[in-house]
Amino acid sequence: ETGVTQSPTHLIKTRGQQVTLRCSSQSGHNTVSWYQQALGQGPQFIFQYYREEENGRGNFPPRFSGLQFPNYSSELNVNALELDDSALYLCASSRRGGQEQYFGPGTRLTVT
Amino acid sequence: KNQVEQSPQSLIILEGKNCTLQCNYTVSPFSNLRWYKQDTGRGPVSLTIMTFSENTKSNGRYTATLDADTKQSSLHITASQLSDSASYICVVNVTGGGNKLTFGTGTQLKVEL
Repeated sequence: ETGVTQSPTHLIKTRGQQVTLRCSSQSGHNTVSWYQQALGQGPQFIFQYYREEENGRGNFPPRFSGLQFPNYSSELNVNALELDDSALYLCASSRRGGQEQYFGPGTRLTVT
Repeated sequence: KNQVEQSPQSLIILEGKNCTLQCNYTVSPFSNLRWYKQDTGRGPVSLTIMTFSENTKSNGRYTATLDADTKQSSLHITASQLSDSASYICVVNVTGGGNKLTFGTGTQLKVEL
């Protein structure tokens, strides 16, 4: 166990809806990164948050947004869901400048 | 074209046998290269991390090698166990990328009796 938790475990939404996924980082970690992993693929970097500010973003549209809270937990919000958004969403926490990222168990999102 | 390519895509071996997984990357410059193990439906778990100046790192039955000149890495698993069945993902951390990780698509390993 890495100490990184995510909720919910599974989620089913319909096209056009909005979803919020949550991540609690490991104690002592101030950086959270979010990844999208489609079936059979490696994770793709969505964005990273450090001290409540976005600190780098991958090739994802603006309908993917996030927040980081003072306790370093984080949310990933996706608006106007599309079928292709169906994936495992992973968050990873780390110390700023640290080499190691610790992953949570992921949230499996299915869009129908 | 993926910046981190892995081979083979999938592999089946018998319990107790050894195997080697390959990773070729074009990402440059990089600060470190990692191998992760990911069980189905779970988050990746780190096995090894190597900086560009290291050429080998071991973690129990897992040994990773790195050749920064040819931009190749390998993960060798000795005396495989059924619990080794998982996806093994090669990950490159881009220098100055703020700890942004570039993942390969993984090698799906199945260990059978």
